[in-house]
Amino acid sequence: GQNIDQPTEMTATEGAIVQINCTYQTSGFNGLFWYQQHAGEAPTFLSYNVLDGLEEKGRFSSFLSRSKGYSYLLLKELQMKDSASYLCAVRDSNYQLIWGAGTKLIIKP
Amino acid sequence: DTGVSQDPRHKITKRGQNVTFRCDPISEHNRLYWYRQTLGQGPEFLTYFQNEAQLEKSRLLSDRFSAERPKGSFSTLEIQRTEQGDSAMYLCASSLTSSGHGTDTQYFGPGTRLTVL
Repeated sequence: GQNIDQPTEMTATEGAIVQINCTYQTSGFNGLFWYQQHAGEAPTFLSYNVLDGLEEKGRFSSFLSRSKGYSYLLLKELQMKDSASYLCAVRDSNYQLIWGAGTKLIIKP
Repeated sequence: DTGVSQDPRHKITKRGQNVTFRCDPISEHNRLYWYRQTLGQGPEFLTYFQNEAQLEKSRLLSDRFSAERPKGSFSTLEIQRTEQGDSAMYLCASSLTSSGHGTDTQYFGPGTRLTVL
């Protein structure tokens, strides 16, 4: 079966750094996406990785290791507005997105 | 605002009634997706269209659910004889796919929250 694993919840302090991990087992791999979702709102696109390595976008970076079936999202200089759920999704061999359940990130002052 | 709109934003209905939701994708996007999401879960794939053709439908999807995209632009999702278990957020997303697929990033609308009493 296909599976995406993420921690259910994480807590971090404003101004700090947090790393949200995602491991996956899918039938094929055609890219990995990270989305941010605030409560009651739709997911918004953060990053896309298809090759191994680190992609940096401002305060957010995403890393991929295809051989390990592993990705992480790194958030730096945390702000209160970063409190949200972070969803990892993998595009499989059928080009369908397989979604994790999301990691709820709580930022404390 | 991603440019994807959905209507209505909220719908409360009684069990057994039919409901219809509309999605207007980003205008140049050729793919349109419908998802369902419940609290604490990721989006669950329902179906998707490339232009006006419905290319895939989830095997888990009841035959009470039907979707159309008649002119390859907006889409509608209809749920017949609603059940309390249908209560969820219904999300629409669109993407632009080209030969070789490329990034094909999906951009989501604000969703329609359905409550079945």
